[in-house]
Amino acid sequence: RKEVEQDPGPFNVPEGATVAFNCTYSNSASQSFFWYRQDCRKEPKLLMSVYSSGNEDGRFTAQLNRASQYISLLIRDSKLSDSATYLCVVNMPDSGNTPLVFGKGTRLSVIA
Amino acid sequence: EAQVTQNPRYLITVTGKKLTVTCSQNMNHEYMSWYRQDPGLGLRQIYYSMNVEVTDKGDVPEGYKVSRKEKRNFPLILESPSPNQTSLYFCASSSDLVGVNEQFFGPGTRLTVL
Repeated sequence: RKEVEQDPGPFNVPEGATVAFNCTYSNSASQSFFWYRQDCRKEPKLLMSVYSSGNEDGRFTAQLNRASQYISLLIRDSKLSDSATYLCVVNMPDSGNTPLVFGKGTRLSVIA
Repeated sequence: EAQVTQNPRYLITVTGKKLTVTCSQNMNHEYMSWYRQDPGLGLRQIYYSMNVEVTDKGDVPEGYKVSRKEKRNFPLILESPSPNQTSLYFCASSSDLVGVNEQFFGPGTRLTVL
């Protein structure tokens, strides 16, 4: 079974707010985790990889909880330009054909 | 500039008329892949390739063919398109052999089959 589940949203937040997304995955053997960003009608682009120790890149923080099989993305001080769909991506070892499984995405709208 | 290119970007066609969507990358990546993206279903892998002349089915390969004769090119072929293949298609490439590192996506091809 290979599933990556995300809350589809939309999350509508005011500028400057802090917003958090969670993503759960089904395979306890998964080793690679990513957050991608996708703007409307554009291609997905890597936002950040998620490491076991957690990682931070400016206003963005990613965390991994292996015991509960979820990853999270925290965005602080939201900007209008953060409006996009955020895709959770997890590798699924021994899943057959698909090494990387994409979540359906969480839509974020940052409002002025 | 390192990139993945796809052509055409937009295509409207009719049922049964064979078409090819080209994909090319200039990063010397081994791994290439095709996805389709549909509302409510997310990105689903169609086919992938780990090297020249090595291709394999993804989750939704029915109705599609691919080839990998050169490292940089990975065309997607629809021999007899049907309306349920109307979708947004993305080609992607990755530097590792099995595609578990960062994947670089092309700009997408929006296909409508009437």
